[in-house]
Amino acid sequence: LAKTTQPISMDSYEGQEVNITCSHNNIATNDYITWYQQFPSQGPRFIIQGYKTKVTNEVASLFIPADRKSSTLSLPRVSLSDTAVYYCLVGPSSGNTPLVFGKGTRLSVIA
Amino acid sequence: DAGITQSPRYKITETGRQVTLMCHQTWSHSYMFWYRQDLGHGLRLIYYSAAADITDKGEVPDGYVVSRSKTENFPLTLESATRSQTSVYFCASSVPLAGDNQETQYFGPGTRLLVL
Repeated sequence: LAKTTQPISMDSYEGQEVNITCSHNNIATNDYITWYQQFPSQGPRFIIQGYKTKVTNEVASLFIPADRKSSTLSLPRVSLSDTAVYYCLVGPSSGNTPLVFGKGTRLSVIA
Repeated sequence: DAGITQSPRYKITETGRQVTLMCHQTWSHSYMFWYRQDLGHGLRLIYYSAAADITDKGEVPDGYVVSRSKTENFPLTLESATRSQTSVYFCASSVPLAGDNQETQYFGPGTRLLVL
């Protein structure tokens, strides 16, 4: 499984766009990039997944460059409720190999 | 739609006692997982199961036992609890996303276990 590296923590003010970058230099051809969000005292929840280029949903955008060695999760206009830990995971598409959660990035949104 | 539930939500036990944490999902997902989460370590996989009667070790399986006699249940047993097993335990199940073979994991609310 490809190892991921992401910042331990980030701070942001309300209303700003937040970009969290994840490095995954050893990503394999059949690996997908998935991000999860975990609020305090809750289990993680899936927010977005992609393979290449850009993916956007109602929560976030995911930017993946052509070499796929990194990815950036973009949260538009964050609010206090976006304070959470964000995990970047890289793994194959099938469920045969469990994903590995690292320590994630702790995002603190300040009023 | 109950989703995935865990019980108990909180548990205090003593060293050496046997403890079983329950996980139940209503979606008939084939894959189920057990994680523990400790400060400074993030989420670590204990055991996982691809289907009923099929289980496999994760990153930190020592001291834990699992079974999967039914698709919807995946209990985790600490045969002889130790203080180092004080943690928050999360159960998850997974299903492929619509349209392709990618999967997303759905997590339960967690069980907070304290071993004295």
